[in-house]
Amino acid sequence: QVQLVQSGAEVKKPGASVKVSCKASGYTLNGYYMHWVRQAPGQGLEYMGYMHSQSGDTQIAQKFQGRVTMTRDTSISTAYMELSRLRSDDTAVYYCARGGIIAGVMPADGTPPFNYWGQGTLVTVSS
Amino acid sequence: EIVLTQSPGSLSLSPGERATLSCRASQTFTSTSLAWFQQKPGQAPRLLIYATSNRATAIPDRFSASRSGTDFTLTISSLEPEDFAVYYCLQYGISPFTFGPGTKVAIK
Repeated sequence: QVQLVQSGAEVKKPGASVKVSCKASGYTLNGYYMHWVRQAPGQGLEYMGYMHSQSGDTQIAQKFQGRVTMTRDTSISTAYMELSRLRSDDTAVYYCARGGIIAGVMPADGTPPFNYWGQGTLVTVSS
Repeated sequence: EIVLTQSPGSLSLSPGERATLSCRASQTFTSTSLAWFQQKPGQAPRLLIYATSNRATAIPDRFSASRSGTDFTLTISSLEPEDFAVYYCLQYGISPFTFGPGTKVAIK
């Protein structure tokens, strides 16, 4: 079965960087897009961007451009999201979510995007 | 970017009642790429509806969704105790993708 397992909670100081991992199992990582979403304490969901898992191309929301890098290591079926120059308002739970199928890489399977989510990784930014 | 506005911000209902949640887009988009999620405290969001009106796997048929122009609606026909949660809409048709602020459905 499809699973996304994220790395554990992190505590970082302002100005530092954090790299969250998302290990995929039960499917071929590079056959699907991967999205990242965050949620600050008591707040709503905030879309960060996505990665074309085969090519590595990314589309990052403007708010995060210049601070977010999305990468993957297909040899270990793991996607990564790195956020730099951390601020206190970056304290949030960060989620990965499997997107839609990448045409030409995998045959269509009818599974909708955002059907599978990681368990979330709490990143706390505090001095 | 497309801004999604959800209303009401919260509503209090009793089990068995009907819930109607709205998500309005700031501009027309022809794509059907709108989804609805349910989220409970401490849990990841759960996909309920994708492509405007298609129920995800194992989602009960008391959940339904529709569209009229830039207005999207999620309806829960008869609330079960497990349906009390926060609901979010997401448009994933036009970059940047965007979420609505959420509607909390609370027990009255």
